[in-house]
Amino acid sequence: DGGITQSPKYLFRKEGQNVTLSCEQNLNHDAMYWYRQDPGQGLRLIYYSQIVNDFQKGDIAEGYSVSREKKESFPLTVTSAQKNPTAFYLCASSMAAFGLLGRNTIYFGEGSWLTVV
Amino acid sequence: DAKTTQPNSMESNEEEPVHLPCNHSTISGTDYIHWYRQLPSQGPEYVIHGLTSNVNNRMASLAIAEDRKSSTLILHRATLRDAAVYYCILRGNDMRFGAGTRLTVKP
Repeated sequence: DGGITQSPKYLFRKEGQNVTLSCEQNLNHDAMYWYRQDPGQGLRLIYYSQIVNDFQKGDIAEGYSVSREKKESFPLTVTSAQKNPTAFYLCASSMAAFGLLGRNTIYFGEGSWLTVV
Repeated sequence: DAKTTQPNSMESNEEEPVHLPCNHSTISGTDYIHWYRQLPSQGPEYVIHGLTSNVNNRMASLAIAEDRKSSTLILHRATLRDAAVYYCILRGNDMRFGAGTRLTVKP
């Protein structure tokens, strides 16, 4: 079935460690997004990518890094510089048509829970 | 960036219509108005979107003000499964969410 797969569902990170969250989509979408959600809060945009080998910072990019080497993959690395990484992380994708991106629906994965121990 | 304003929470009775408002006074001419909803511990789910005209689909209706500075999501007959957080978003090249409206549906 077509969709977005995030893994792992649950991840525990020790202080000072980098961890990488995987996001894969088989929808042939050009655009991909990463969001962070804290309990009881809305989603905040971390990074987004409209095309392979290109990405832009969102509102809370500090302490995170991404890569977009393949169209179907957009992994997020939570670095040790992110001091409070415990949150629910959501990956999303959409078709992209530069200048017409707004008309396209965004599809979300099921999310990954990251906890610092 | 254009932002949206929604009430923090609303309540509805089951099988009654629900009107969820959204203000977006700084909307630009190319921004689409999207609505998504989110159940606990799940990713948001698409509900409906539009640009200028009112829109209907199997889930809901979207009423857009003539000046596009506000919109209303209409659930025609709320069910218990409609209880969720509803987000109104202005979509350009990125997509930024606000806090949304938590809808409670009472049996």
